[in-house]
Amino acid sequence: GENVEQHPSTLSVQEGDSAVIKCTYSDSASNYFPWYKQELGKRPQLIIDIRSNVGEKKDQRIAVTLNKTAKHFSLHITETQPEDSAVYFCAASHPFSGGYNKLIFGAGTRLAVHP
Amino acid sequence: DAGVIQSPRHEVTEMGQEVTLRCKPISGHNSLFWYRQTMMRGLELLIYFNNNVPIDDSGMPEDRFSAKMPNASFSTLKIQPSEPRDSAVYFCASSLTIAGGFDNEQFFGPGTRLTVL
Repeated sequence: GENVEQHPSTLSVQEGDSAVIKCTYSDSASNYFPWYKQELGKRPQLIIDIRSNVGEKKDQRIAVTLNKTAKHFSLHITETQPEDSAVYFCAASHPFSGGYNKLIFGAGTRLAVHP
Repeated sequence: DAGVIQSPRHEVTEMGQEVTLRCKPISGHNSLFWYRQTMMRGLELLIYFNNNVPIDDSGMPEDRFSAKMPNASFSTLKIQPSEPRDSAVYFCASSLTIAGGFDNEQFFGPGTRLTVL
């Protein structure tokens, strides 16, 4: 069945360094790939998303790249700050009958940014 | 807009009791999702409604779980009878789904933390 694998499960960086989180997906029909940030005790919130018709998208310190051939996509955070500390989830859309899509989430990456 | 509203925010109950979780999606959104989050299993989709109709309930664990959406502004997730393994954070999310399944952002509610003793 559909599956999204996310690595690493934990990531520790020094403030100012870059952080990279990688995800692979199994469904070649997936065409939408959002990334969510979840702070401790809070709800997941979308930080960036990418669709299959582009290979890269950037928003200030955050960028996402997509390789459809290899079925993997990555989140890049540059110049990390302590407030970037959170759990990050990748997701991939999975189409099913009726023309609908649902999101399959990765297991999450706990990012810790140390001052 | 107040965003997705869920109630209660916390629920502690005893095994065997009925639990009802409530959700009000963002006005104008036509898709509603119930998720369960645990350390062991991560974020799991339980059920997906579109225009108040259940589209996919393949994630509902078993017959003890049921969900309804009587109108566009209200949904419930019921567990009867509850068991300790149901302890988790339950999130409701909503989005605007355009014909053809074009995906837009899912907005999550604050969640309900359920503890079954």
